[in-house]
Amino acid sequence: EVQLVESGGDMVQPGGPLRLSCAASGFTFRNYAMHWVRQAPGKGLEHVSAISSNGGSTSYGNSVKGRFTISRDNSKNTLYLQMGDLRAEDTAVYYCARFTVNSLDYWGQGTLVTVSS
Amino acid sequence: EIVLTQSPATLSLSPGERATLSCRASQSVGSYLAWYQQKPGQAPRLLIYDASYRATGIPARFSGSGSGTDFTLTISSLEPEDLAVYFCQQGSNWPWAFGQGTKVEIK
Repeated sequence: EVQLVESGGDMVQPGGPLRLSCAASGFTFRNYAMHWVRQAPGKGLEHVSAISSNGGSTSYGNSVKGRFTISRDNSKNTLYLQMGDLRAEDTAVYYCARFTVNSLDYWGQGTLVTVSS
Repeated sequence: EIVLTQSPATLSLSPGERATLSCRASQSVGSYLAWYQQKPGQAPRLLIYDASYRATGIPARFSGSGSGTDFTLTISSLEPEDLAVYFCQQGSNWPWAFGQGTKVEIK
């Protein structure tokens, strides 16, 4: 059974850093590109970042470019999102998801990041 | 940057009725359009990929159609458990975009 479990969500002050993790199991992690998607409270979905299966290629949404860094450790079956210079508008549930055929077929349950002083 | 516009914002129907949800792209995305269902308090679930292919385990009452800029998700006969918000997503150009969602209410 495919499982994605996010962790690391917390309340953080504006300008601060935070690192999210996503532990994958039930599939061959190193064979799949992975994505982060976020959802602000009561709002729609926003694509944040993506990384290729071997980690050699990354992409970011315009609102996080230069502040967030996606990475992965295929030996640990884990995806990461290093977030910096956090702003109030980054407050959201962050989901990790597996990429397949131009879509995201498995999603974790999400981890909440709250940016507030 | 491609923008996806979904309509209507809310759809209120009775069980057994047909639901038709629309997603329009600001420029062509070919067939690289997916649909997701998000029930209250849950993560999104993939329903349709590449415009018309049902994901694994998705009931046959869900179907997708369209290409280019105009796409439709149809629920042929609404079930009470179909209460959810439905999002479309384009995977043609970076950055990916999601529509703002259509909320399906069951009368």
